[in-house]
Amino acid sequence: DAKTTQPNSMESNEEEPVHLPCNHSTISGTDYIHWYRQLPSQGPEYVIHGLTSNVNNRMASLAIAEDRKSSTLILHRATLRDAAVYYCILRPQGAQKLVFGQGTRLTINP
Amino acid sequence: ETGVTQTPRHLVMGMTNKKSLKCEQHLGHNAMYWYKQSAKKPLELMFVYNFKEQTENNSVPSRFSPECPNSSHLFLHLHTLQPEDSALYLCASSPGQGEETQYFGPGTRLLVL
Repeated sequence: DAKTTQPNSMESNEEEPVHLPCNHSTISGTDYIHWYRQLPSQGPEYVIHGLTSNVNNRMASLAIAEDRKSSTLILHRATLRDAAVYYCILRPQGAQKLVFGQGTRLTINP
Repeated sequence: ETGVTQTPRHLVMGMTNKKSLKCEQHLGHNAMYWYKQSAKKPLELMFVYNFKEQTENNSVPSRFSPECPNSSHLFLHLHTLQPEDSALYLCASSPGQGEETQYFGPGTRLLVL
């Protein structure tokens, strides 16, 4: 399984944008980039995913580098409820498995 | 509320006990999963079921025994566990057509004494 590298922790302030980086230099052409997050005392929840183009949904935006070796999850206006561990996961096309790393623990300051 | 429920939410058991964890999904999905989340370790996939058939066992010790009687229910039967099996056990489901979003339950926090 292709590996991702994320910072262990990040901190931001409420109502400010947050950019969460992920490096995946060994990504293959058919690997999708998925992001999940895990709020305290809950199971992980899906955030967003993409292949080559940038993606937007109601929760976040995903910016994918042109060479696909890195990506950034963007929370446009963080709230206290966004404090969670964020996981960047490479998922081969058609694969059911999710292989989680350590993720980035995001702290939001009021 | 993700549509995936797990019971019990907390469980304490001795090493000689037998207990079962239950997962139920109300999403009409055909794939179900068990994951284990130990302290300071990433989530690990344990088992995958598709249309009630086990399709993946990630080298899980036999003291963990899964059961999937139908596409909506998944059980994890536990017996003669060790203290190092203490962890958060998470259930997930997905539509069952390959690479698609997984929906997780809140987990069962297990403590083995």
